Amino acid sequence: EAQVTQNPRYLITVTGKKLTVTCSQNMNHEYMSWYRQDPGLGLRQIYYSMNVEVTDKGDVPEGYKVSRKEKRNFPLILESPSPNQTSLYFCASSLGLYSGNTIYFGEGSWLTVV
Amino acid sequence: AQSVTQLGSHVSVSEGALVLLRCNYSSSVPPYLFWYVQYPNQGLQLLLKYTTGATLVKGINGFEAEFKKSETSFHLTKPSAHMSDAAEYFCAVSDNTGGFKTIFGAGTRLFVKA
Repeated sequence: EAQVTQNPRYLITVTGKKLTVTCSQNMNHEYMSWYRQDPGLGLRQIYYSMNVEVTDKGDVPEGYKVSRKEKRNFPLILESPSPNQTSLYFCASSLGLYSGNTIYFGEGSWLTVV
Repeated sequence: AQSVTQLGSHVSVSEGALVLLRCNYSSSVPPYLFWYVQYPNQGLQLLLKYTTGATLVKGINGFEAEFKKSETSFHLTKPSAHMSDAAEYFCAVSDNTGGFKTIFGAGTRLFVKA
């Protein structure tokens, strides 16, 4: 089954404690990205990657890091989480560099920073 | 720069009534337009999209949308609402500029009354 898998789905952590949210896709997609969803703001892109070893900032990259060492994996790293990073996070992938491509989303990761 | 405006953060309809969710976009070049649906505790999934060709696009679950260039709109409709349609709906726009980015609207939550 074609899917984007992210873990953990739910996490409560404390301010400053580094955490990683993993993301993996099994569709051989070139393009992967991370979004955060906040009430009234829709989805905002954090980082994206057009291919292995190629990453770039989205609209809200501050406080986040990513890496793309393998085509299927695109982890999101919060080096020193803060309460304003409490949000619902989505990993997503699409086939390639064509704006008409469908984006496939993971089921989301609820992150609470206290 | 691209932008998307969804009119109404919440829409409530009775079961069997017409569903109309409004979306207006801004794009300097011909856009690609999408509607995604998010059911509770799930990721977003594609409902329908317009890339080129016929301006009336049919999607899953009986939904359709019409691309109106003169009105810069892409409203989503369904003739008869079903309880299972209760979800959050996101309109999105992308084009071939700016890193193939997809911009999402803030979302419209649809409530269906029995």
